[in-house]
Amino acid sequence: NAGVIQTPRHKVTGKGQEATLWCEPISGHSAVFWYRQTIVQGLEFLTYFRNQAPIDDSGMPKERFSAQMPNQSHSTLKIQSTQPQDSAVYLCASSSSGGYYAEQFFGPGTRLTVL
Amino acid sequence: GQQVQQSPASLVLQEGENAELQCNFSSTATRLQWFYQHPGGRLVSLFYNPSGTKHTGRLTSTTVTNERRSSLHISSSQTTDSGTYFCAIPQGGSAKLIFGEGTKLTVSS
Repeated sequence: NAGVIQTPRHKVTGKGQEATLWCEPISGHSAVFWYRQTIVQGLEFLTYFRNQAPIDDSGMPKERFSAQMPNQSHSTLKIQSTQPQDSAVYLCASSSSGGYYAEQFFGPGTRLTVL
Repeated sequence: GQQVQQSPASLVLQEGENAELQCNFSSTATRLQWFYQHPGGRLVSLFYNPSGTKHTGRLTSTTVTNERRSSLHISSSQTTDSGTYFCAIPQGGSAKLIFGEGTKLTVSS
């Protein structure tokens, strides 16, 4: 089991460019979560999917951020018109059921740097 | 809103000493998850505690949900234990996690 896979591991974009981050959950897991980690804000929830359906996007910035889960094997987080304040490590996690009691397992993260 | 508070914020030990990390939470969460993160590394799940005490190797986690607290005990610390330890609880009835600010542990030889 390779665990949760995230690509790319590092991404550098210029201000105003688009960034797409990829996540492959653990095989058989039906829920995918996205979090963001910065030194100032710590670990923050962004959004999550269960059985490919969006369940909660309450942590997503209202503009420029979007997430999708087109199939069971991957999810994407897209940031349009990136800004320096978007620089962070974006973490993806998966769980077997997406339920309250399901343990979450994290990927290595994608470090996004916006110049 | 719900909060998770960890203490101490940082801890420096000599190899061989024991460590006690605390996590207090404001909600009536009925489960808690402890994570370890090496600098630049991924969050590794250490314990997933509905309640009670769990052991793995030199680590022991004790969670008392009705008192809204959990502790992580590291015995005979090693330099490889250095890193940041986070606790997290689900927010409300949702599966999304709220994290504490972490305890940064440094173990020197």
